[in-house]
Amino acid sequence: ETGVTQTPRHLVMGMTNKKSLKCEQHLGHNAMYWYKQSAKKPLELMFVYNFKEQTENNSVPSRFSPECPNSSHLFLHLHTLQPEDSALYLCASSQVVAGDTDTQYFGPGTRLTVL
Amino acid sequence: QKEVEQDPGPLSVPEGAIVSLNCTYSNSAFQYFMWYRQYSRKGPELLMYTYSSGNKEDGRFTAQVDKSSKYISLFIRDSQPSDSATYLCAMRANTGNQFYFGTGTSLTVIP
Repeated sequence: ETGVTQTPRHLVMGMTNKKSLKCEQHLGHNAMYWYKQSAKKPLELMFVYNFKEQTENNSVPSRFSPECPNSSHLFLHLHTLQPEDSALYLCASSQVVAGDTDTQYFGPGTRLTVL
Repeated sequence: QKEVEQDPGPLSVPEGAIVSLNCTYSNSAFQYFMWYRQYSRKGPELLMYTYSSGNKEDGRFTAQVDKSSKYISLFIRDSQPSDSATYLCAMRANTGNQFYFGTGTSLTVIP
């Protein structure tokens, strides 16, 4: 595997389900990100992890719960989602040195549909 | 006011045309500028990465940054049907790892 991988690629879930999205980066980076991409809107940054520590949480509802067990893996746990949460969820990684970062590299995304 | 403004298009051009894609921004602290290409059902892939003002060329692609006008452009020469995708601009300040994205411009190159 190379780059940034995400599983599953597609997910359909009901509003009462609990599911998890997985991201893995094979680039040796130390920062990982979750973004939400909806039609006609800019990418929305959800969470940032630097060296496994969460450094950003952009007012994301608690029904989205991130987990970063190590610098290569990132999860997004989902529960009691709403139909408006349907979107493409993108994971990205980058290398942070002395508080500054190189550019981000993205995974293919998980297309989530909430019924 | 949005941090980054980008015309969503759609933009449709004939094969071989020169394509110009643009973004404007409001934050004068932005120093790093990126263009990503996103094919349907795929994640964004990095096309160009520039620092501060000036031009950068890579094959058929040229990125321009005009910090005085807070305006960035991506030019595609001799456009090909395989260039049909959504193009996202992104930028960030000198420090930190918060990136700001445009909405993306949808481009179709007609054979």
